[in-house]
Amino acid sequence: AQTVTQSQPEMSVQEAETVTLSCTYDTSESDYYLFWYKQPPSRQMILVIRQEAYKQQNATENRFSVNFQKAAKSFSLKISDSQLGDAAMYFCAYGGMDSNYQLIWGAGTKLIIKP
Amino acid sequence: DTEVTQTPKHLVMGMTNKKSLKCEQHMGHRAMYWYKQKAKKPPELMFVYSYEKLSINESVPSRFSPECPNSSLLNLHLHALQPEDSALYLCASRLFLAGGSYEQYFGPGTRLTVT
Repeated sequence: AQTVTQSQPEMSVQEAETVTLSCTYDTSESDYYLFWYKQPPSRQMILVIRQEAYKQQNATENRFSVNFQKAAKSFSLKISDSQLGDAAMYFCAYGGMDSNYQLIWGAGTKLIIKP
Repeated sequence: DTEVTQTPKHLVMGMTNKKSLKCEQHMGHRAMYWYKQKAKKPPELMFVYSYEKLSINESVPSRFSPECPNSSLLNLHLHALQPEDSALYLCASRLFLAGGSYEQYFGPGTRLTVT
């Protein structure tokens, strides 16, 4: 069975600085997807970034980028130029290729932005 | 357009009430999901509908009854709930992308309180 681990329950960063959130996972599959979701206090779960396991190139979306290390089963999220609006719970999720494409979720990291 | 809508936003119900949660998407996605989320926890999968057929029921008590009348609409019927069922109920739909990738898009959720 697949598992996802986020070892940082809470992180804080000064506004405009860079922060990295950690995620590790375990799987025996070779083909899968990894996701970072953001859930602000308003509670809407928003997809931040997606990484395909077969791609060596790290995904980027504006100020958000990932460091995907397939052999190490590591998938960290880097947020550059942190903004107050980045404050949220961040969930790492593993997406398999079973018939229902279920997501396996990490426990989440609460990100605090200090003004 | 990646919008999933959910109604109502808030619901308070007694343990003897019957109520329903509604989820809609008009993006042509053929899979829809119900999740339950407790505060500061990741979402827990409850049900998956694929092509309007129930494909996963994650051992959810029978007081929760899902329904998928058509490909755009998902309902969750609630009856005789317990106070521990109070949570945020999230709906999501799945989009397949080019190359076999996929993403789940979430609605804003319904905050349910059982008194």
